Amino acid sequence: GENVEQHPSTLSVQEGDSAVIKCTYSDSASNYFPWYKQELGKGPQLIIDIRSNVGEKKDQRIAVTLNKTAKHFSLHITETQPEDSAVYFCAPGGGYNKLIFGAGTRLAVHP
Amino acid sequence: DAGVTQSPTHLIKTRGQQVTLRCSPKSGHDTVSWYQQALGQGPQFIFQYYEEEERQRGNFPDRFSGHQFPNYSSELNVNALLLGDSALYLCASSLGTGLADTQYFGPGTRLTVL
Repeated sequence: GENVEQHPSTLSVQEGDSAVIKCTYSDSASNYFPWYKQELGKGPQLIIDIRSNVGEKKDQRIAVTLNKTAKHFSLHITETQPEDSAVYFCAPGGGYNKLIFGAGTRLAVHP
Repeated sequence: DAGVTQSPTHLIKTRGQQVTLRCSPKSGHDTVSWYQQALGQGPQFIFQYYEEEERQRGNFPDRFSGHQFPNYSSELNVNALLLGDSALYLCASSLGTGLADTQYFGPGTRLTVL
C-alpha cells in the first residue's frame, strides 16, 4: 500500500535559522506534492505545492524540492520566525488527488 | 470570497448514535474530500465526491457514508459511532480537473464520542 514518511518528527530552531523537512513516499504514481501547515485548533493550510514536471519551486522564504527518482521531496524554510511554529505535513497525491498525509513534523522556532 | 466552511465546530455523541457533518466548498470548487484526523496524527482520506457521486474511497467501513448536493456542498454521515471515531473531521474542496488539483481545507469538526 501507500506509505509516506516524514523526518524529523520534531524540529527546534533559533529564529533566523533555516529548517528542512524531508518526505519520502512509496507510490510511484504520485504526481502532486503539497506541504500543509497546521496550527493548533485549525485545519491544514496549503503553504506550497509542486507538480511532477517541476524539480523546485520557491515562494519567498519557502521552497520545495522534488526528486521523483528517489521518491522524496523536501520543504525548506529560510529566515524562520516564531510564527512559523506549527505542525507541517507532506501529503503526496495521485489520481483525483487522494492525498496521503505523513505523520507530521512539529517545528518550534525560538526567539 | 468565503473559504471552505464546516458545521458544527464541535459535537459530542454517545456510542451507537449517528452523526451528520456538513461542508460548503470554496466558491467555484466542485469536488469535496473528507478526511479524519485522530489526535497527534496526520489526516486520513475517507472519500471524495464529484458530480454528486463518490469518486474515490479510503480504507473506512461502510458506517461512513456521504452525499454531495447539486450546489456542491457535502455531508458526512457516521452510523453506530464507536469511541475510536473521536477525531477532527476535515473537509477539503478542489476544482475537479482530475489533474493534481489543489485541495483547500476547512477548519474541521471536532467529534467526541463518549
